[in-house]
Amino acid sequence: QKEVEQNSGPLSVPEGAIASLNCTYSDRGSQSFFWYRQYSGKSPELIMSIYSNGDKEDGRFTAQLNKASQYVSLLIRDSQPSDSATYLCAVNNQAGTALIFGKGTTLSVSS
Amino acid sequence: GAVVSQHPSRVICKSGTSVKIECRSLDFQATTMFWYRQFPKKSLMLMATSNEGSKATYEQGVEKDKFLINHASLTLSTLTVTSAHPEDSSFYICSAPQGGQGNSPLHFGNGTRLTVT
Repeated sequence: QKEVEQNSGPLSVPEGAIASLNCTYSDRGSQSFFWYRQYSGKSPELIMSIYSNGDKEDGRFTAQLNKASQYVSLLIRDSQPSDSATYLCAVNNQAGTALIFGKGTTLSVSS
Repeated sequence: GAVVSQHPSRVICKSGTSVKIECRSLDFQATTMFWYRQFPKKSLMLMATSNEGSKATYEQGVEKDKFLINHASLTLSTLTVTSAHPEDSSFYICSAPQGGQGNSPLHFGNGTRLTVT
């Protein structure tokens, strides 16, 4: 069974701080990695996608991928209370036919 | 705007009845769509992959005769929960790959909250 592991949290950070979210995956053949944000009672929305080793930055968000360590992370700079949500790490299966989601990390940003 | 439309957003039904949920891709064709289920405070669990023009592929433990999937066109997939029971109460979410490509990020519908009484 291919797995995606995340610390469920909650991760609590003060407003303005950097929030660091981590994810590991078991399928070495995975090629596509995504971070989704999900507010309570809502469906997930895509935050970042990353396909190559290294860092990818988009505004306050930076995704980091290390395929050798089977590790992907998301950094949120200058965290805002509106960032408080559950962040889901998603990894495609080796066949590229479906996304497997982690259980999510709940982030709480206090003002 | 939304690229995947899901309907209804909320449904309450009595035990033993069937419920149909529709998922439409807007402005793009999707030969593949995915159906997920999410219980409170749990992760998204893939139920099945809907394939246009062919049978759906179900994940282990998902009853294909209970969760009927029909992908009759390139923009529409439906999930029917047959003979629903209270344990089927959950948040059902459909998704389609961006641009219809299988390895692309998924666009999600707004989800359907099913409550079976």
